[in-house]
Amino acid sequence: EIVLTQSPGTLSLSPGERATLSCRASQSISSTYLAWYQQRPGQAPRLLIYGASRRATGIPDRISGSGSGTDFTLTISRLEPEDFAVYYCQQYGSSPLTFGQGTKLDIK
Amino acid sequence: EVQLVQSGAEVKKPGESLRISCKGSGYSFTSYWITWVRQMPGKGLDWMGTIDPSDSYIKFSPSFQGHVTISADKSISTAYLQWSSLKASDTAMYYCASHYSSAWPFDYWGQGTLVTVSS
Repeated sequence: EIVLTQSPGTLSLSPGERATLSCRASQSISSTYLAWYQQRPGQAPRLLIYGASRRATGIPDRISGSGSGTDFTLTISRLEPEDFAVYYCQQYGSSPLTFGQGTKLDIK
Repeated sequence: EVQLVQSGAEVKKPGESLRISCKGSGYSFTSYWITWVRQMPGKGLDWMGTIDPSDSYIKFSPSFQGHVTISADKSISTAYLQWSSLKASDTAMYYCASHYSSAWPFDYWGQGTLVTVSS
């Protein structure tokens, strides 16, 4: 099983700042199979990034993904109020599919 | 517009059975796989299993195999998650999600079904 470890657990920032979230895999993953999701309170998760760097439909270009091998990053260049949420990385290339434990992005 | 609409919240006692549903619309139901994801209170996301509605082929997480049943009725574009004997530890929000293939991210999500198991 591929274990995904996200850091930090909580990130406190202000609107307008840049957020950098990390996801580290216990073994190498093809970048084709790495996704990021956003979950706002009381809502279902929403796909943001797939294939490590491809934005899903409707996702603004201030949200970007990068990385390869075992280290992946989600970057939000200028935080908007609606960006304060929990973010999960996921690998979907190897069964069992696994998620990271999440990073909570909250307002400073 | 792709939509996944899940059945409503349930309150059950330990040992009872339960089936929750996820109805797809706005797309060809047999062209997309359906996955079930558990989220325990205040916790992260757990992949439970995935079904191909075209032939009911299922891939299970080892953590959930034998504890739940996943099925689909393509004639009514609906997938199901079923328990034969609930435990208090099954208390969670359950989401269905659809995706293009078994090795594809989860594009669309249902609104979630809250299952509470308490004596």
